[in-house]
Amino acid sequence: NAGVMQNPRHLVRRRGQEARLRCSPMKGHSHVYWYRQLPEEGLKFMVYLQKENIIDESGMPKERFSAEFPKEGPSILRIQQVVRGDSAAYFCASSPSGTSFGTDTQYFGPGTRLTVL
Amino acid sequence: SQKIEQNSEALNIQEGKTATLTCNYTNYSPAYLQWYRQDPGRGPVFLLLIRENEKEKRKERLKVTFDTTLKQSLFHITASQPADSATYLCALEDSSASKIIFGSGTRLSIRP
Repeated sequence: NAGVMQNPRHLVRRRGQEARLRCSPMKGHSHVYWYRQLPEEGLKFMVYLQKENIIDESGMPKERFSAEFPKEGPSILRIQQVVRGDSAAYFCASSPSGTSFGTDTQYFGPGTRLTVL
Repeated sequence: SQKIEQNSEALNIQEGKTATLTCNYTNYSPAYLQWYRQDPGRGPVFLLLIRENEKEKRKERLKVTFDTTLKQSLFHITASQPADSATYLCALEDSSASKIIFGSGTRLSIRP
């Protein structure tokens, strides 16, 4: 059973370009979470999605950032018109039944390291 | 506001000793608390979950305590080894129960 897959592992973009990060959850997991981690800092929650639904996007910047988890295919985190401050590691995690069930742990992918030049 | 605090200073421990990491939280009443390990350049890996009605949880050389009165969890690694060197994160379900909030982590170094 493959773990959470993220690609690309490293992404370099120039200011103003779009960054598209992909996350394939573990098999059987229907809940996906995206986090951002700056150097020497903890994980900051961005968004929580189930298939075709955004459950909680309270950690997502209001502009330029969007996320989706379609019925088929990976979850996508999209950052439009990137700026240098977007440079960070972006982690995706998945769980089988969501945090509200109280005992679900999250399985993390290896992350995508975004560098904005 | 809800806050999770971990000691931001790195912890250096001699091999064989017990390492103890602290996680404090405020303005929360979490139903459970989790601990994760993160190695450089990698995603966090789940270690242990402890519920609010559990005082202590053990897994091999790991022990976690959860004091809901003090609003604190302690994470212990006994007989520490250099391979235990990593950053350790505590995480709580937030009050909306829709997401997990992570502490900023404590970097642990075990010297031979």
